[in-house]
Amino acid sequence: LAKTTQPISMDSYEGQEVNITCSHNNIATNDYITWYQQFPSQGPRFIIQGYKTKVTNEVASLFIPADRKSSTLSLPRVSLSDTAVYYCLVGESSDYKLSFGAGTTVTVRA
Amino acid sequence: ETGVTQTPRHLVMGMTNKKSLKCEQHLGHNAMYWYKQSAKKPLELMFVYNFKEQTENNSVPSRFSPECPNSSHLFLHLHTLQPEDSALYLCASSPRGLKDNEQFFGPGTRLTVL
Repeated sequence: LAKTTQPISMDSYEGQEVNITCSHNNIATNDYITWYQQFPSQGPRFIIQGYKTKVTNEVASLFIPADRKSSTLSLPRVSLSDTAVYYCLVGESSDYKLSFGAGTTVTVRA
Repeated sequence: ETGVTQTPRHLVMGMTNKKSLKCEQHLGHNAMYWYKQSAKKPLELMFVYNFKEQTENNSVPSRFSPECPNSSHLFLHLHTLQPEDSALYLCASSPRGLKDNEQFFGPGTRLTVL
């Protein structure tokens, strides 16, 4: 599994856009980039997954440059309820052995 | 609501007790997992079941004993635990068995061992 590096924490305010960048220099050809969200005392929740360029769903957008050595999760117009830990995972879409790192703690303030 | 439920949500037990954690999913998923999340540490995969068969045991001590009677239910039997076993125990399932990194997690059981 490719190693990922993401910031330990980020602060934001309600209504702002939050961008979390994850570095994965050793990403393999078959690897996808997957993001999970975890609220305190809850299990992680799958947010989005992508391979290249841009992926968007109702929760977030994922931007992946051509070299795929990094990716950015974008949370538009965050609210207090978006305060959570966000994990960047890299691996094959068929790889059930999820490797969660420390994640990025996003704190949204009023 | 992810469709994966876990009971109890909180459990306090002594080191000599025997207890069981229960996980249930009616999502029709074929694979189920137990994870451990200790304070300040990443999630650790403990056990994996695919179509009721255990396919992985990540060097978990024998005081943790999993059971999967059917594809919808998963148990984690606990006995003679240590205080360092206190953690959040998470159950997850995935729709495409062991070819799936999109997993659906339950809310977890917060376990405290005294």
